[in-house]
Order: sequence, then C-alpha cells, then structure tokens
Amino acid sequence: NAGVTQTPKFQVLKTGQSMTLQCAQDMNHEYMSWYRQDPGMGLRLIHYSVGAGITDQGEVPNGYNVSRSTTEDFPLRLLSAAPSQTSVYFCASRPGQGHLEQYFGPGTRLTVT
Amino acid sequence: KNEVEQSPQNLTAQEGEFITINCSYSVGISALHWLQQHPGGGIVSLFMLSSGKKKHGRLIATINIQEKHSSLHITASHPRDSAVYICAVYMDSNYQLIWGAGTKLIIKP
Repeated sequence: NAGVTQTPKFQVLKTGQSMTLQCAQDMNHEYMSWYRQDPGMGLRLIHYSVGAGITDQGEVPNGYNVSRSTTEDFPLRLLSAAPSQTSVYFCASRPGQGHLEQYFGPGTRLTVT
Repeated sequence: KNEVEQSPQNLTAQEGEFITINCSYSVGISALHWLQQHPGGGIVSLFMLSSGKKKHGRLIATINIQEKHSSLHITASHPRDSAVYICAVYMDSNYQLIWGAGTKLIIKP
C-alpha cells in the first residue's frame, strides 16, 4: 500500500492564481481531511469528508474548495491564492467512525508571492 | 486559553537522557493521539490512548483522564528521536480533533 499520497511536494504561486492540491489514499478509508500547518500553531482543519459525496467545512475553510467524488481521492482547490495561504498542507485519512488513528500524507509546501 | 496545551515548547537534551513531554487539555475527550513530525515534515502516529498506558519500544505514553493530562516519555533518548511531538485530542461530543502546537525535541550526541 502507498498509504496517503500528496502532489505536488512544493509549489510556488502568484497572488490570484488557482491550483489544486491532490490527495489520494489506497486504504479504503472513509474519512479524509485537509489541514494546514503554520509556524508555532497546531494543525488547523480546512475541510473534511466522511465518505464519497460528503464534505464539510473545518476551522479555516475560506478560500478553499473540496470535492470527494471517489473514496480514494480528496483534492483541495485554492480558488484565488493569497499570501496568507502560504503554509504546509497535509492530507490525512482514517478508516471511519470509531477508528480514530489518522494517517498522514507527506505534505505540500505552498508559497504564495 | 488553548484547549490543548503542550509543555515544554522546546526541549534540548543529551543522548541517553529520559525525556518527558506533557499534554494538558480542558475538554472532555474520547481519545488522545500522540504523533511525531520529523524535520523532513512527515507526520506519523505514535499512540492512540483513551486510558492507562501504552508502550512501544523506548516510547511510553500515559493518560490520566481525571486530571486531563497525558505524558509521552522517551527512555534512553537518541539523536534520531529529534522531532516535533504533537498531542491531539478527540472531543467526546463530536469527535472533532483539537491539536496542540507541538514540542520540538532536540537530542544532542
């Protein structure tokens, strides 16, 4: 199993550009989440999904969209990048209700200039 | 006040020392998660606890539900233990995960 994979590893965007961060898992996990990690702060939840076709907002959803058309994939879209979105982004998954241990992707380091 | 607080924020120790990292929380929880983040950035799960104590190799995690406190111990520390250790709690009301800010550990040879 590859586990949770994320692409790209690094990305530089100009303000106003849009892009999609990819996340895929091959463990048949129901739950998937996107987090951002900023220096000195804990991970903050952006969006999450409890199954294909079901998504919901987390703590910091503004400026981001998600969709979950398959169990495996959970892409994160930045609609119009802003310097405040410079961060490291982590995708995570877990099997489902009652199974709490999360599995993380390697992260995407995004810089918006 | 943060709902999950870790201490210390930074810890530097010599190889071989016994390490303790603390996590205190203020909400009712269903489980507590300890994770490790290496300098390369990847995050891996170490322990999931809802009571008592768990041990894996040189790592030991304990939790006291009444005192709302958990500790992560590392015995015979080694430079490869250098990482950020993160505590996160699952709220028992809605399974929302609340994250601590992490403890940066450096073990010097």
